Amino acid sequence: GAGVSQSPRYKVTKRGQDVALRCDPISGHVSLYWYRQALGQGPEFLTYFNYEAQQDKSGLPNDRFSAERPEGSISTLTIQRTEQRDSAMYRCASSRNGRGFGNQPQHFGDGTRLSIL
Amino acid sequence: AQTVTQSQPEMSVQEAETVTLSCTYDTSESDYYLFWYKQPPSRQMILVIRQEAYKQQNATENRFSVNFQKAAKSFSLKISDSQLGDAAMYFCAYRSRTNFGNEKLTFGTGTRLTIIP
Repeated sequence: GAGVSQSPRYKVTKRGQDVALRCDPISGHVSLYWYRQALGQGPEFLTYFNYEAQQDKSGLPNDRFSAERPEGSISTLTIQRTEQRDSAMYRCASSRNGRGFGNQPQHFGDGTRLSIL
Repeated sequence: AQTVTQSQPEMSVQEAETVTLSCTYDTSESDYYLFWYKQPPSRQMILVIRQEAYKQQNATENRFSVNFQKAAKSFSLKISDSQLGDAAMYFCAYRSRTNFGNEKLTFGTGTRLTIIP
């Protein structure tokens, strides 16, 4: 597609349910990033992938959060046993980075707004 | 760890006038990138301008320019001839250049810019 696509756009769920957020990066982009943005704050890094390999998951807040990118394209961020504090905008970004491409900007999706009741 | 500080939660400017948004950062690295992203009410994240730390020349993109002071670790954004469409939240962001594949962005808390007609 033309840009990074995220689904669903909005997700409302009850506390304790599991949620899966999907990110479809720009075709050919090697790197994929997940960020979380609380209201009135800047995005905070969660995790990122190069191809299918998860390179850094240091930003995941706890073990209820996990992410995968099994075929090096679409990625899923899963939150288990959701809590109200998980409510936020979850953004995905992708970039073309790879050896030889140098400084490539991250292109962001429009995000999934997650609300936990 | 790197930190990014935006000390102006809100700014306003008269249409057609010039405004400068401030950003400071803290890092022990000598090679990195700096970015300004715009987040309009539509909640997109749009790259406005970027600067490589090794370049002395300040980046410019049409009406947008930066004042990069490496020694002072300051990276301000100047918007000339402000337009109503410039109204948005502006985020300053830092990215390391030292580790290939480690390109996560560290964001500031943002500055909300209002354009007065």
